[in-house]
Amino acid sequence: NAGVTQTPKFRILKIGQSMTLQCTQDMNHNYMYWYRQDPGMGLKLIYYSVGAGITDKGEVPNGYNVSRSTTEDFPLRLELAAPSQTSVYFCASTGGNSPLHFGNGTRLTVT
Amino acid sequence: EDKVVQSPLSLVVHEGDTVTLNCSYEVTNFRSLLWYKQEKKAPTFLFMLTSSGIEKKSGRLSSILDKKELFSILNITATQTGDSAIYLCAVIPRGSTLGRLYFGRGTQLTVWP
Repeated sequence: NAGVTQTPKFRILKIGQSMTLQCTQDMNHNYMYWYRQDPGMGLKLIYYSVGAGITDKGEVPNGYNVSRSTTEDFPLRLELAAPSQTSVYFCASTGGNSPLHFGNGTRLTVT
Repeated sequence: EDKVVQSPLSLVVHEGDTVTLNCSYEVTNFRSLLWYKQEKKAPTFLFMLTSSGIEKKSGRLSSILDKKELFSILNITATQTGDSAIYLCAVIPRGSTLGRLYFGRGTQLTVWP
């Protein structure tokens, strides 16, 4: 039982490049979330999804896009990377009646 | 403007000490408050508190919520080096899904042997 799996673990991007952070879960959870965590700060919600085909913005959505074509996968897309997007990104899921299960994170540096 | 404020932001103790971590919040129409422990990687769930005055306990860790005064505390007794971590407090507004959390900045706890 893998839980929530994120890839890659680390990535360095140059300003203006694009990339997709992958997230997949094998718990058949409907609800999935993307958070970012900056040093010394709490996690902030970027986007979330309550089921396949449904996505919505969180607190800090600017510069990101998401899609949810299947229950298992919830990729996060950065189109034009900026230094302000240097952060650790966590994907998480829940079945709706239980606390969040987090992935191990993707550490992204934009230079 | 932070909705969830944790204190202290960092704490250094010796093994065997007892620590109290604080979390105050300003979220209206409050649903639940959660505590997570974060070591190197993913936050792991500790407690979810919904009702005032009812202590939740797991081994040496315990937590309680005061909805009138809008705060919660997390106690750790007889601390061990393995308790070294960031402890995160998060609040769920009423009407939100269980995953839509407002997090505090965390308390970095360091336990020296």
